[in-house]
Amino acid sequence: AQSVTQLDSQVPVFEEAPVELRCNYSSSVSVYLFWYVQYPNQGLQLLLKYLSGSTLVKGINGFEAEFNKSQTSFHLRKPSVHISDTAEYFCAVSKEYGNKLVFGAGTILRVKS
Amino acid sequence: DTAVSQTPKYLVTQMGNDKSIKCEQNLGHDTMYWYKQDSKKFLKIMFSYNNKELIINETVPNRFSPKSPDKAHLNLHINSLELGDSAVYFCASSQDEATSRGYTFGSGTRLTVV
Repeated sequence: AQSVTQLDSQVPVFEEAPVELRCNYSSSVSVYLFWYVQYPNQGLQLLLKYLSGSTLVKGINGFEAEFNKSQTSFHLRKPSVHISDTAEYFCAVSKEYGNKLVFGAGTILRVKS
Repeated sequence: DTAVSQTPKYLVTQMGNDKSIKCEQNLGHDTMYWYKQDSKKFLKIMFSYNNKELIINETVPNRFSPKSPDKAHLNLHINSLELGDSAVYFCASSQDEATSRGYTFGSGTRLTVV
């Protein structure tokens, strides 16, 4: 079975600073990896996904993530955050060609002015 | 033009009652899901249906019964509600069973059992 650990429950950061949200996964088989964002009182929205190929994946709103198989990680980064990036971010994993997404516990990103 | 819509958005009810949450998607997707997000924000899959057929049925009390009258709808009926059922329930859909295409989520139904 697959599992996800998001290492930080909350990450405070000042506007225009860079940010990294950490995600580690566990799986005995090849995986797909995803980052979703949840704004207050809304559903989850797909930010980006890694299926295969280049380990650096670019998503919406200037976010990117790097798949590191040896470290079993898929950290999310943004070089310069905005107030509007304040939200909760969820890392998720499924096995390759799988039909079930397993989510981490989420990381709240708080961007301060 | 909401892609995945859930009703109601909020639901407050007493222990022991029976309630339903409705979900509809207008994306033409074949697969729909119910996820439960508990107070610690853990999102756990409960059920998935592909073209009206039950595909995933996680370890969920049999008080929870999903019903899919057609592939655009997946409703969740809960019998004999308990305090521990309080959570946010998210409906989602995807083009097919493959996770690779990503899911589209509804905005959630916050269920409070008192």
